Amino acid sequence: KQEVTQIPAALSVPEGENLVLNCSFTDSAIYNLQWFRQDPGKGLTSLLLIQSSQREQTSGRLNASLDKSSGRSTLYIAASQPGDSATYLCAVRWEYGNKLVFGAGTILRVKS
Amino acid sequence: GAGVSQSPSNKVTEKGKDVELRCDPISGHTALYWYRQRLGQGLEFLIYFQGNSAPDKSGLPSDRFSAERTGESVSTLTIQRTQQEDSAVYLCASSTGLGLQGQYFGPGTRLTVT
Repeated sequence: KQEVTQIPAALSVPEGENLVLNCSFTDSAIYNLQWFRQDPGKGLTSLLLIQSSQREQTSGRLNASLDKSSGRSTLYIAASQPGDSATYLCAVRWEYGNKLVFGAGTILRVKS
Repeated sequence: GAGVSQSPSNKVTEKGKDVELRCDPISGHTALYWYRQRLGQGLEFLIYFQGNSAPDKSGLPSDRFSAERTGESVSTLTIQRTQQEDSAVYLCASSTGLGLQGQYFGPGTRLTVT
C-alpha cells in the first residue's frame, strides 16, 4: 500500500531557529514529491517540487531533499519566522498513478 | 495569470439534499483532480480527469458522489443525498498533462451538512 508519513506531527520553535520536517514514503518508484503549505481555512500553496531524478530543490529559505532509496524527504527551513507558522504537507505521486498521496502534515508554530 | 478557482467557498446544506461544487482549472491544464479533507484528517483523492480519457474514479467513496468535466475546462463535483460525514473541505487541483510542474490547488469549498 502506498503511504506517506510525516514526523513530527507538531513542532513549536522560537523565531530564528533552523528546522527540519521529515517525510517518509513506502515504495521508492515515485514520479515526484511535492511539499505544500496550508494556512488555517485556506487552500494549499506549493512550496517545492522534486522530480524523481533530482536530489534537492531550493527556494529562498526552504530546501527540500529526496532520497528515493531510503524512501525519505526532508524540508529544511532556515532562520524560521512567525510567518512560517502553518501546516506543512508532503505529497507523493508514484510512477504508475496520477493522484497525490498526502501525509497527515506537520503543524509548525514559530514563536516570536 | 489566474489560478484554480472554486465555488462556492462555503456551502451549508441539510442532510439528504444534493450539492454541486464547481472548479475552474488553470487555463491550459489538461489534468484536473478532486480531493477532500475532513476535519482532522489528511487529504483524500477522489477523482482525476485527463483530457478526453476516461476519468479515474477510484477514490470516490460511494455512488452518491459523481463528477463531470467538459473538455479541458470546468468540472463539477456532485454529492447526492448528502450525509453528515460528507462535511469536509473539497479541494480541486490542476496540472499540465505530464504533471512536471506539480499540482496547483484551488482555495477549496467548505461543505457543512447539518
